[in-house]
Amino acid sequence: AAGVIQSPRHLIKEKRETATLKCYPIPRHDTVYWYQQGPGQDPQFLISFYEKMQSDKGSIPDRFSAQQFSDYHSELNMSSLELGDSALYFCASSPGDGYSGNTIYFGEGSWLTVV
Amino acid sequence: AQSVTQLGSHVSVSEGALVLLRCNYSSSVPPYLFWYVQYPNQGLQLLLKYTSAATLVKGINGFEAEFKKSETSFHLTKPSAHMSDAAEYFCAVSDEDGGATNKLIFGTGTLLAVQP
Repeated sequence: AAGVIQSPRHLIKEKRETATLKCYPIPRHDTVYWYQQGPGQDPQFLISFYEKMQSDKGSIPDRFSAQQFSDYHSELNMSSLELGDSALYFCASSPGDGYSGNTIYFGEGSWLTVV
Repeated sequence: AQSVTQLGSHVSVSEGALVLLRCNYSSSVPPYLFWYVQYPNQGLQLLLKYTSAATLVKGINGFEAEFKKSETSFHLTKPSAHMSDAAEYFCAVSDEDGGATNKLIFGTGTLLAVQP
């Protein structure tokens, strides 16, 4: 079965640079989520989209932005990167409008290292 | 707001022994609860979820969890540990803050080591 696809899997950037992560949700899933997992930390919710509109926002820095496109893929843009942004970034998707009982399926994550 | 607490950041068991990973939740409404597993350098894989249909939930790889309202617990168990079960396990609750989405609130994780 198709899963959530994230790219790139690994990314190394310097401080103050910009990075873009891409996410392709499971087909027919119209809700996309972004999570950040720092080293040794639990995943933290950043932002979500339903039907291409932002539906919820968590602890996402102002330097970060995201959007969901007409084909439902999503991109997370991170600017003015800081060392503390080094983390594993997960994209996830679920069917429907985010009803709490729906299962959220995670991608394998994109490792961002800021040097 | 909902939250989950995982007791024990590290658990070590012998191969073939019972696995018990603890999770307690805090919720003002009947919660939706999940267990995810993360193998080294990999993503999060759903083990099982509780959505009020049955208190004993069976998941993949022989894991199961029992929802106990009186104890506000959702502990994960497996009768016999395999070496391949070594991973980090996250308990999560669906956030019911009235927001539009189903975002998950994760516990701090329990790293399971399986000794030969």
